[in-house]
Amino acid sequence: EVQLVESGGGLVQPGGSLRLSCAASGFSVSSKHMSWVRQAPGQGLEWVSVLYRDNITYYADSVKGRFTISRDSSQNTLYLQMSRLRAEDSAVYYCTRDVEIGTYLFFDPWGQGTPVTVSS
Amino acid sequence: DIQMTQSPFSLSASVGDRVTITCRASQTINNYLNWYQQKPGKAPDLLIYSASSLHSGVPSRFSGSGSGTDFALTISSLQPEDFATYYCQQSYNVPRTFGQGTKLEI
Repeated sequence: EVQLVESGGGLVQPGGSLRLSCAASGFSVSSKHMSWVRQAPGQGLEWVSVLYRDNITYYADSVKGRFTISRDSSQNTLYLQMSRLRAEDSAVYYCTRDVEIGTYLFFDPWGQGTPVTVSS
Repeated sequence: DIQMTQSPFSLSASVGDRVTITCRASQTINNYLNWYQQKPGKAPDLLIYSASSLHSGVPSRFSGSGSGTDFALTISSLQPEDFATYYCQQSYNVPRTFGQGTKLEI
């Protein structure tokens, strides 16, 4: 069964750092495109970053230069290193597999999410 | 960035009703459009990809249509478990933008 389990969220002060992890099972993170998507309290979904299987990365403008997406093939885990955190980064962060069928891409499955709160 | 605009923001309906949610892209995205369902406190689930392809395991009462800039998600006969928030999302390019969501309420 394909499954994603996030961890690492919590309370952090503005300007601080946090590293989120996403442990995958049922497939290899190094052979698939992987993304992070976040959802602020009571708000909609916001795409954050993608790591393509060829190691190309992209980021939302709102996190560019502060967040870094990476993976560890030996641990079969995706990461999101977040630094210089701001209050507006507070959200539930979801890890998701970026499925590719021909030229079509979609997110499936999603992890359960890990909450991040940036507050003093 | 491509902006995705859903309408309506919220929708009240009854079990058995036929409902349609629309999604408009700020530029053409061909049929690179996905639909997700999210229930409170849960992660989103994929319903439709490439505008009209039903994801495995999704009931056939869900259907998607459209191409270019205008898209629609239709639920042919609402069931109690369909009351949720629905999001469209473009996969034409990055950033992979989502619509603001449509909350479907009883």
